[in-house]
Amino acid sequence: GAGVSQTPSNKVTEKGKYVELRCDPISGHTALYWYRQSLGQGPEFLIYFQGTGAADDSGLPNDRFFAVRPEGSVSTLKIQRTERGDSAVYLCASSRGLAGGKGQETQYFGPGTRLLVL
Amino acid sequence: AQKVTQAQTEISVVEKEDVTLDCVYETRDTTYYLFWYKQPPSGELVFLIRRNSFDEQNEISGRYSWNFQKSTSSFNFTITASQVVDSAVYFCALSGLFSGGYNKLIFGAGTRLAVHP
Repeated sequence: GAGVSQTPSNKVTEKGKYVELRCDPISGHTALYWYRQSLGQGPEFLIYFQGTGAADDSGLPNDRFFAVRPEGSVSTLKIQRTERGDSAVYLCASSRGLAGGKGQETQYFGPGTRLLVL
Repeated sequence: AQKVTQAQTEISVVEKEDVTLDCVYETRDTTYYLFWYKQPPSGELVFLIRRNSFDEQNEISGRYSWNFQKSTSSFNFTITASQVVDSAVYFCALSGLFSGGYNKLIFGAGTRLAVHP
């Protein structure tokens, strides 16, 4: 079956602009995760959805970052008033969601969106 | 603190050599999970293995093997008879209740492996 897909694969924007990054999880996966990977670093957790609700948003760096998943499938990560420091690869992952946060599930990652803020 | 350390930033080997990638972790959890992911130049993180803290058996999958040692808080990854296609960045990761929850993976900085013909 299809893996996690993310669009766009690359996004160039100017400082101060608003961007939306989209993630389409593996079909049937109810858990969805966003991570951010800066150059030369490992991915850092941003937010975790179980179904439509954000179960853990503790990794969002500030209130310029927001994510939604209105129908429990596709998710959109929204960044307002972008800054140069937001430049990174934004990775999305999904898992089956059966553990409900009480146990570990393997997360399967998409190819990422490379965001460059000029 | 919950932390994953991959001390080797870059490793360069010649094809057919064996190579070991080190991973050392810190956690307060008694139940935790450890992972290895591969990130080829395409950028997608590819899942390789998941191991829970109660299972210290070493694992072998083809040319890949993993050595989990709780006593030294290490989860090392060995590639036997390396191939050019193994060239990638490899990440070790940890999750656990006190590490922010089972759904939050804490990654190391990664080890870039270059396998030359």
